[in-house]
Amino acid sequence: QKEVEQNSGPLSVPEGAIASLNCTYSDRGSQSFFWYRQYSGKSPELIMSIYSNGDKEDGRFTAQLNKASQYVSLLIRDSQPSDSATYLCAVNVPGTYKYIFGTGTRLKVLA
Amino acid sequence: DTGVSQDPRHKITKRGQNVTFRCDPISEHNRLYWYRQTLGQGPEFLTYFQNEAQLEKSRLLSDRFSAERPKGSFSTLEIQRTEQGDSAMYLCASSPGQGENEKLFFGSGTQLSVL
Repeated sequence: QKEVEQNSGPLSVPEGAIASLNCTYSDRGSQSFFWYRQYSGKSPELIMSIYSNGDKEDGRFTAQLNKASQYVSLLIRDSQPSDSATYLCAVNVPGTYKYIFGTGTRLKVLA
Repeated sequence: DTGVSQDPRHKITKRGQNVTFRCDPISEHNRLYWYRQTLGQGPEFLTYFQNEAQLEKSRLLSDRFSAERPKGSFSTLEIQRTEQGDSAMYLCASSPGQGENEKLFFGSGTQLSVL
């Protein structure tokens, strides 16, 4: 079982819709969760971090964490074509200094 | 604050050659990471420095890879006797600390191609 799993996509949504991106992780001890956006040929850019169960909102982005289900998601409201990118979920590995990344979900927002 | 800087942006080398990459983190960040990313995959952890101390290294990393951060500022990653399988984007990231500050800020990466 992979430590961090994401659907590779592509996930296609029309402009203005809500995009929902999901991530599951295997280590129940993980405490820190991150969403990064990566445009083709560029490096990852942090969008959101979340540490507690529940929702965390920042502009058009909402991160949701459910530690009991080992599940973290990212909602993008009013999706724009500029949101088209790969979204990477990252999780800390307890007892280490490292973060494990999923393979990413490719999002396409159709104009 | 100019962000995390990596040099070179691109490196083409022949199999068997040695290569060295440099990373300059955000100046006040004492935590520095090296990751490697291949097409269609997420970044893969290589090593971690806190100030000048290398505190963690991936078990997947062969002895051909070595990293340093001599004065707790910039870092170098060296790959000896490169192999075609080393072709990847090498990403450096720095972080200001723990808790709400444990976010990773990535540089633009060094794209390595081994022929």
